[in-house]
Amino acid sequence: EAQVTQNPRYLITVTGKKLTVTCSQNMNHEYMSWYRQDPGLGLRQIYYSMNVEVTDKGDVPEGYKVSRKEKRNFPLILESPSPNQTSLYFCASSLNVGNTIYFGEGSWLTVV
Amino acid sequence: AQSVSQHNHHVILSEAASLELGCNYSYGGTVNLFWYVQYPGQHLQLLLKYFSGDPLVKGIKGFEAEFIKSKFSFNLRKPSVQWSDTAEYFCAVIDMTTDSWGKFQFGAGTQVVVTP
Repeated sequence: EAQVTQNPRYLITVTGKKLTVTCSQNMNHEYMSWYRQDPGLGLRQIYYSMNVEVTDKGDVPEGYKVSRKEKRNFPLILESPSPNQTSLYFCASSLNVGNTIYFGEGSWLTVV
Repeated sequence: AQSVSQHNHHVILSEAASLELGCNYSYGGTVNLFWYVQYPGQHLQLLLKYFSGDPLVKGIKGFEAEFIKSKFSFNLRKPSVQWSDTAEYFCAVIDMTTDSWGKFQFGAGTQVVVTP
């Protein structure tokens, strides 16, 4: 089954404790991206990647890192999480830039 | 700055009523346009998309949207809604012509509630 898989789905962590949210897709998609969803703000793009070893900042990259060492994986790293990073995070992928985006199930992150 | 605007944040309507959700964007060049739906507790799913050709596009579940280039708009419509259409709807745009190629912009979303 074609899918985008994120883990963990739910996480409560403390300020400053590094965490990684993994994302994997099995559709051989070139384009992958991360979004955060906050009430009243819709989805805002954090980072995107057009292919392996190619990443770029979205609209809200501060406090986040990504890497794209393999085509299928695109982990999101919070080096020192802060409470304002409490949000619902979605990973997504598409065949290439501009094409339909397929979303993962979402990861609820709470930073206390 | 490039932006995507959805006109209504909340819409409440009765079953069988018609629905129209507005979406405007500020990009000047070639764009790809999407409408996504998010049912309660679920991830976003594609309703329909426009890349080129006929500006009136039909999607799943009886939804359609019209691209009007001169108005920078991509409004979503459904002639007769059902209770199961209760969801949040997002317009999304990607600019295919500038150096920000690769950036998807989503609108803030419209929460639609359909009452029986």
